[in-house]
Amino acid sequence: DGGITQSPKYLFRKEGQNVTLSCEQNLNHDAMYWYRQDPGQGLRLIYYSQIVNDFQKGDIAEGYSVSREKKESFPLTVTSAQKNPTAFYLCASSISSSYNEQFFGPGTRLTVL
Amino acid sequence: AQKITQTQPGMFVQEKEAVTLDCTYDTSDPSYGLFWYKQPSSGEMIFLIYQGSYDQQNATEGRYSLNFQKARKSANLVISASQLGDSAMYFCAMREGRGTNAGKSTFGDGTTLTVKP
Repeated sequence: DGGITQSPKYLFRKEGQNVTLSCEQNLNHDAMYWYRQDPGQGLRLIYYSQIVNDFQKGDIAEGYSVSREKKESFPLTVTSAQKNPTAFYLCASSISSSYNEQFFGPGTRLTVL
Repeated sequence: AQKITQTQPGMFVQEKEAVTLDCTYDTSDPSYGLFWYKQPSSGEMIFLIYQGSYDQQNATEGRYSLNFQKARKSANLVISASQLGDSAMYFCAMREGRGTNAGKSTFGDGTTLTVKP
């Protein structure tokens, strides 16, 4: 079945460690996105990529990094520079960065101890 | 500046009744798209409905309709015949089409809908 996978579902890390969240899609979508969601709040855009080998900063990119070497993959690294990394992270993709709806993965809940 | 405003943190509706969830937006881009998503307690995000800025008619998808008032910059979601399974958080989102923000999506803070039996 086509869709977006994120792994792992739950992730625990010690403070000061970098951690990489996986996001893979087999929908042949050009655009991919990473969002952060804090409890009871909306989604905030971290990074987005409109096409392979290209990506742009979103509204809260500080302390995060991404790569888009393959169309189907858009991993997010949460670095030690991110002050408060504990959150729910959602990856999404869309056919293009135009007005197509986004399809979301199941999310990764990151807890930094 | 906040681009998407959802003023109702929580809403209650009786089963089988209709409910309207409010959304106002702010943009100077004449070309944009408006979206509504549903997030159940499981955390997944489910696309519900889309309205383009140039669309002449209000969008409808089954029990969902979007009351688009362009001059007022509002894009309210109407859910008819509410069901218990509609209890979830609902997010309004906008994507701009041009300029430096082209391709970016902005989400509101969401409205938690509770359907009462």
